[in-house]
Amino acid sequence: GAGVSQTPSNKVTEKGKYVELRCDPISGHTALYWYRQSLGQGPEFLIYFQGTGAADDSGLPNDRFFAVRPEGSVSTLKIQRTERGDSAVYLCASSLGGAKVGELFFGEGSRLTVL
Amino acid sequence: AQTVTQSQPEMSVQEAETVTLSCTYDTSESDYYLFWYKQPPSRQMILVIRQEAYKQQNATENRFSVNFQKAAKSFSLKISDSQLGDAAMYFCAYRSFTGANSKLTFGKGITLSVRP
Repeated sequence: GAGVSQTPSNKVTEKGKYVELRCDPISGHTALYWYRQSLGQGPEFLIYFQGTGAADDSGLPNDRFFAVRPEGSVSTLKIQRTERGDSAVYLCASSLGGAKVGELFFGEGSRLTVL
Repeated sequence: AQTVTQSQPEMSVQEAETVTLSCTYDTSESDYYLFWYKQPPSRQMILVIRQEAYKQQNATENRFSVNFQKAAKSFSLKISDSQLGDAAMYFCAYRSFTGANSKLTFGKGITLSVRP
């Protein structure tokens, strides 16, 4: 597709369950980012990938959160033992590789609700 | 660490009028990008305008323009001839030049409503 695609659009789960959120970036974009956005707040950085490797994972809140990008394209954000506080919209973005490239292109996000 | 502050949680403007959204930031770097993103109810962040810190000239995109004051670390967005479709959340964001593809740091956002 032409844009960043995220699935599922909405996910409702129970406390303690495991969830996976998927991001399919724009073709050719080597950088991929995950953000978390709570209601009424700005997006908070979680992790970014350059190719297959996590170049900066400083925003992951704890070891229940993990992300992979095994082939340098699609990425999966994995959350173990979900808690009610994990409820948020999870945004994915991609951009071209290389230095001094400014724009990130965002998907529509995956809304996670933990009951 | 860089921080971005948007102190106005909400603003309202009459259709066809002009509105200015404020943003300040804190950084020790001399070279960086600044952005304004729009987020409608569909949730998708849409880039409105960008400014490179080394450029003294303020960026302009059609009805959207910025007032970039580097010394004051201020980056406001002016929307002229406001339209109903401009109603959305607007986020100011900072991105470092240091290292390729470093993260965007966002402010808390401002909700803009447009009165017909």
